[in-house]
Amino acid sequence: QKEVEQDPGPLSVPEGAIVSLNCTYSNSAFQYFMWYRQYSRKGPELLMYTYSSGNKEDGRFTAQVDKSSKYISLFIRDSQPSDSATYLCAGAGGTSYGKLTFGQGTILTVHP
Amino acid sequence: KAGVTQTPRYLIKTRGQQVTLSCSPISGHRSVSWYQQTPGQGLQFLFEYFSETQRNKGNFPGRFSGRQFSNSRSEMNVSTLELGDSALYLCASSLGGDTNEQFFGPGTRLTVL
Repeated sequence: QKEVEQDPGPLSVPEGAIVSLNCTYSNSAFQYFMWYRQYSRKGPELLMYTYSSGNKEDGRFTAQVDKSSKYISLFIRDSQPSDSATYLCAGAGGTSYGKLTFGQGTILTVHP
Repeated sequence: KAGVTQTPRYLIKTRGQQVTLSCSPISGHRSVSWYQQTPGQGLQFLFEYFSETQRNKGNFPGRFSGRQFSNSRSEMNVSTLELGDSALYLCASSLGGDTNEQFFGPGTRLTVL
């Protein structure tokens, strides 16, 4: 079993839809959680960085972490075609020393 | 502030050769992590350097090695290349310490023929 599980999709939604992306993790030591966006043939771009449980909002993006159920989510409001990319969730523990553990990534397409 | 830079961007090698990839972190960042990304395995952690010391290592064979210089720039080396080493190699930098907020470079795409 992978430490971070993520449905690879693909996920296709119309422009303006609310997108929900989810991951589960098994490592109880994880305290930091991240969402990255990766366009084709580019490096991952950090979207959201959260510590422990709770919600964090940044513009159209909201990240949620529920440590009790080991579940992390990213919501994208008013999705745009430019949001079409692969979304990667990642977790890290306090003493992981630079090691992020990633999910497989979800391919998202937002069509006009 | 300039982002993470990686050179070269593309590389083609043959089996048995060795390769060195370079990464320059964001100014002020002291930690550099390396990852291998393939369609089948996704993003996998190779190793991390902080203040010229390797602090963590992933489950890769000894053919994969790295180092970090006093200016925080880092290199990784892969010796005796195999076809399966074809991948996108990404480096990410962070301030270090307790933070895991990592910023990635564009990657080096290595093709082994």
